[in-house]
Amino acid sequence: DAEITQSPRHKITETGRQVTLACHQTWNHNNMFWYRQDLGHGLRLIHYSYGVQDTNKGEVSDGYSVSRSNTEDLPLTLESAASSQTSVYFCASSEDRVGGELFFGEGSRLTVL
Amino acid sequence: AQSVAQPEDQVNVAEGNPLTVKCTYSVSGNPYLFWYVQYPNRGLQFLLKYITGDNLVKGSYGFEAEFNKSQTSFHLKKPSALVSDSALYFCAVRDFQTGANNLFFGTGTRLTVIP
Repeated sequence: DAEITQSPRHKITETGRQVTLACHQTWNHNNMFWYRQDLGHGLRLIHYSYGVQDTNKGEVSDGYSVSRSNTEDLPLTLESAASSQTSVYFCASSEDRVGGELFFGEGSRLTVL
Repeated sequence: AQSVAQPEDQVNVAEGNPLTVKCTYSVSGNPYLFWYVQYPNRGLQFLLKYITGDNLVKGSYGFEAEFNKSQTSFHLKKPSALVSDSALYFCAVRDFQTGANNLFFGTGTRLTVIP
C-alpha cells in the first residue's frame, strides 16, 4: 500500500544546530506540504511544493527551508534551530492541488533545548 | 484573508447521543471545506469535504457535515456517537479563488465520548 513516512519520529536537539526532517511518499503525488502543529494554533503551513524543483513559502516559513529533487521526497531543514521551533511537524501529500484530500504522515516531534 | 474558527476547544457527549462539532469560516468567494480527524500520536485523516452540490455531505465512519452559506458554517455531525470517535477534529478551508491553494486549519476541537 502507498504511504507517507516521516523520520525521525522524535528528535531532541540544541539551539543553533541544523536539523533535517525527512518525508517520503509512495503515492506518486506531485503536491507535498509541511505543517507544524502547536497547541492553540492548529496546523500552520510551513512550505509546500507542487512538483520537482518547485518550492513555496507558507504561513510560517521563517527559519525553515525545503528542497524537491524528486517526486517522493520533501525534506524540511531548520537552518539554526530555535526553541520556538519546538513542535510536532507533519508532512502531507495530495494528488489534486485544489480539491483533493491530504494524506498525512505520522508526525515528527522536535524538541529544541 | 481566509480563516476558520472552531469555537469549542472541547466537546463531551455520551455514547449513543448525537454529536456536533462546530466550524465557521471566512473566505472571499466560494470555499472548499474539509474535516480531518486526528487520533493520539497519529497524523490527520480525511473525513469529508464540501466543494459544490448538496449542502449535506456524507463522509467516513458515519460522519456528515452541513454546509450553510448564509451562516458561513460547516458543522460536523454524527447521529450516534461511539467511544472510538474520541479524537481531535480539525476543520479546514481552501480558498482557491484568491490563489491560495493551500489548506488553512482551525485550532481543533477535542471530542470525548463518554461510555
